[in-house]
Amino acid sequence: EIVMTQSPATLSVSPGERATLSCRASQSVSSNLAWYQQKPGQAPRLLIYGASTRATGCPARFSGSGSATEFTLTISSLQSEDFAVYYCQQYDKWPLTFGPGTKVDIK
Amino acid sequence: QVQLQESGPGLVKPSETLSLTCTVSGASVHSGTYYWNWIRQAPGRRLEWIGYIYYTGSTKYNPSLRSRITISVMSRNQFSLQLNSVTAADTAVYYCARAVCRAYCGGPVPTLDPFDLWGQGTMVTVSS
Repeated sequence: EIVMTQSPATLSVSPGERATLSCRASQSVSSNLAWYQQKPGQAPRLLIYGASTRATGCPARFSGSGSATEFTLTISSLQSEDFAVYYCQQYDKWPLTFGPGTKVDIK
Repeated sequence: QVQLQESGPGLVKPSETLSLTCTVSGASVHSGTYYWNWIRQAPGRRLEWIGYIYYTGSTKYNPSLRSRITISVMSRNQFSLQLNSVTAADTAVYYCARAVCRAYCGGPVPTLDPFDLWGQGTMVTVSS
């Protein structure tokens, strides 16, 4: 199975600052990479798919990039509602797998 | 508006069977457009895809759980999860989720989009 890793585990950022989250796949997943946001007590919410396409309702301050094994999620200017855990997920090969998450908290 | 809602016991004894149901409103589980999935998240652990079912009854399971899982489509726009011989390691929040089929729908290796719609999740604890 494809193992997903994310870094850092925790990212402390001040509101208004930029946040850059990384995701790595143990083998190429092409562009079949998604990012989800999860807040406490809630289900994950799809933000990005196809490595760089924003899902319906995802604010423009979120952007994704990368391909093959290296991916990045950037939040250009953090808002209060963006403090959450972010997971990457590959949907290129079965079984589908998720990364361990990056928690973005308030600095 | 499409919604998914999980239901089932919140407490299951070790060695018994965990049974959950996902009720879909606003869309049909019998549509060929979607695959219906179960995903879980144990405390402090990453999300784990459990398996899917297609309206034809076609299923695919995570190899790590395959021997213990059954996912079925039910007649009342619901689909279910059964996980046998549970242990404390199966304690988790269980989610049902939808994925749109992009290609090879109904085949042995469909191409799916990521999970665009999730239920709120239900916590299941395995304990005597």
